[in-house]
Amino acid sequence: DQQVKQNSPSLSVQEGRISILNCDYTNSMFDYFLWYKKYPAEGPTFLISISSIKDKNEDGRFTVFLNKSAKHLSLHIVPSQPGDSAVYFCAVTNFGNEKLTFGTGTRLTIIP
Amino acid sequence: ETGVTQTPRHLVMGMTNKKSLKCEQHLGHNAMYWYKQSAKKPLELMFVYNFKEQTENNSVPSRFSPECPNSSHLFLHLHTLQPEDSALYLCASSQDWSGEYEQYFGPGTRLTVT
Repeated sequence: DQQVKQNSPSLSVQEGRISILNCDYTNSMFDYFLWYKKYPAEGPTFLISISSIKDKNEDGRFTVFLNKSAKHLSLHIVPSQPGDSAVYFCAVTNFGNEKLTFGTGTRLTIIP
Repeated sequence: ETGVTQTPRHLVMGMTNKKSLKCEQHLGHNAMYWYKQSAKKPLELMFVYNFKEQTENNSVPSRFSPECPNSSHLFLHLHTLQPEDSALYLCASSQDWSGEYEQYFGPGTRLTVT
């Protein structure tokens, strides 16, 4: 039973528009959330994170939103650029715990 | 360049072979990890080492044997694997085990067991 779900395996977005990637988790005890981006033939790279004491964290074009009551996390990319085409993984953990639990990933394609 | 390197990048081995995967991190981190990514499945944590001590073994079969001789190097020794062990094996490192620090991943080893 997956604790972290990314229900959209793929997403296509026009360049310049907003990309919204979603992630749901089942355990309300998780308190630290991360997004990773993965290009083909490379390992995942850290993108942005948020702790449960916040509901929003912004870094340039990337914003992560956390809805604790819904156990839902989303990543907004605006404006989307062709270089954003990649697979995006959300991951969850507890502060003080090294174990990350990953979702299955969403393949984002930005259409020029 | 992520600072985490893995060799080999590709490996094909028979079920009776013994091989080893190597990971090296140049980031001065104290925690290292092995993950397995099978097709259409989430990244699965296999092992965690913190300051060279194994702190997590996620119910991994004994045909996978990790070794961490120092904080910069991590090995995964493989023997008598099964075809279903074919996957991408990713190594990662982080500053420490607190979970607050993001993990830096290597490019992975694509393993095929024939």
